[in-house]
Amino acid sequence: GAGVSQSPSNKVTEKGKDVELRCDPISGHTALYWYRQSLGQGLEFLIYFQGNSAPDKSGLPSDRFSAERTGGSVSTLTIQRTQQEDSAVYLCASSLWGGYNTQYFGPGTRLTVL
Amino acid sequence: KNQVEQSPQSLIILEGKNCTLQCNYTVSPFSNLRWYKQDTGRGPVSLTIMTFSENTKSNGRYTATLDADTKQSSLHITASQLSDSASYICVVSAENNNDMRFGAGTRLTVKP
Repeated sequence: GAGVSQSPSNKVTEKGKDVELRCDPISGHTALYWYRQSLGQGLEFLIYFQGNSAPDKSGLPSDRFSAERTGGSVSTLTIQRTQQEDSAVYLCASSLWGGYNTQYFGPGTRLTVL
Repeated sequence: KNQVEQSPQSLIILEGKNCTLQCNYTVSPFSNLRWYKQDTGRGPVSLTIMTFSENTKSNGRYTATLDADTKQSSLHITASQLSDSASYICVVSAENNNDMRFGAGTRLTVKP
């Protein structure tokens, strides 16, 4: 079946602009994760959605970052007033539910802030 | 200090050879440990997941081991192929499973 999809695949924006990144998880997966991978760095956890529970936002680096998950499916990660240090690959993953379940990753969105 | 340390940072081997990647962690209380393979420009792909009660798990030519007492895991790759060239990332979860700690990864290059 279809895997996790993300759009756009690449986004170039100017410093100070807002951007929205989209994630379509695998159908039926209740858990959705956002990660960030900066050049030469490891994966960094950003936010976790599980069903209708309040999301775990503990990984968001600043209040310029926010995410929504509508109808328990599609998720949007929004970065306001982008900064150059926001440049990274933003990865989304979903799993059947949280905990001990395989996370399936999307291809990522490469964000470049000029 | 990162709670998940991987070694070596990078590794170059010849096609057909075996190799072992290491992951040491201090995450506590431990819930599970995952190994991911990440090809350049792609999202990570799960190789294995292990809880504290599992000390070995295989996925084709990949075999992961876990020693929860010493807080060490290894990923052994047998008969390496060119397509094994990738970054291998160790991820350790605490009992609150949202709290995942990622290693920096080992960059493996398999040469013909």
